[in-house]
Amino acid sequence: DADVTQTPRNRITKTGKRIMLECSQTKGHDRMYWYRQDPGLGLQLIYYSFDVKDINKGEISDGYSVSRQAQAKFSLSLESAIPNQTALYFCATSEGPQETQYFGPGTRLLVL
Amino acid sequence: KNEVEQSPQNLTAQEGEFITINCSYSVGISALHWLQQHPGGGIVSLFMLSSGKKKHGRLIATINIQEKHSSLHITASHPRDSAVYICAVRGSQGNLIFGKGTKLSVKP
Repeated sequence: DADVTQTPRNRITKTGKRIMLECSQTKGHDRMYWYRQDPGLGLQLIYYSFDVKDINKGEISDGYSVSRQAQAKFSLSLESAIPNQTALYFCATSEGPQETQYFGPGTRLLVL
Repeated sequence: KNEVEQSPQNLTAQEGEFITINCSYSVGISALHWLQQHPGGGIVSLFMLSSGKKKHGRLIATINIQEKHSSLHITASHPRDSAVYICAVRGSQGNLIFGKGTKLSVKP
């Protein structure tokens, strides 16, 4: 079984809808991250969490919110989806600040 | 100017060729990562290095801290090496800053 899982893997939604992307990990890591990837651009950090009580904004947090329900779960919400949020979204985890990050398989989101 | 620049953006090679992908960065770093993104989208970490050289199978990563430059080499390339290779640096804030990636296609 994969150490970092994301659901759903693909999602089509309409402008204005609220959607949630979920991430779960079995690695026991405290640190979790949400990134988005757009064609021709590098991965950009949306939010990150160092533990259940510590949530931090990344480079591009506007229009997104997150919830760290437990050490193993980190959810990303789009409160009111817009077309330019169409992208590939990745969750990642790491044991510490200087450690390797482990990525989930990604969620392809299309906002119409 | 992007903080992490990769070259080339696209690379096509014949099976068996020696491949080099370059990464230059403009910020102070504590570590540099090389990642591989498969055609299906999944990302795996290949190397994390802060000095010198690391080798894993046919892959070799080097870094020159003074020149702010890293290279990823693939020896005896194979079509299964076809992927996007991403360089990322860990800056002073602790977060990763990613390059745009190099798309490698190895033809049989």
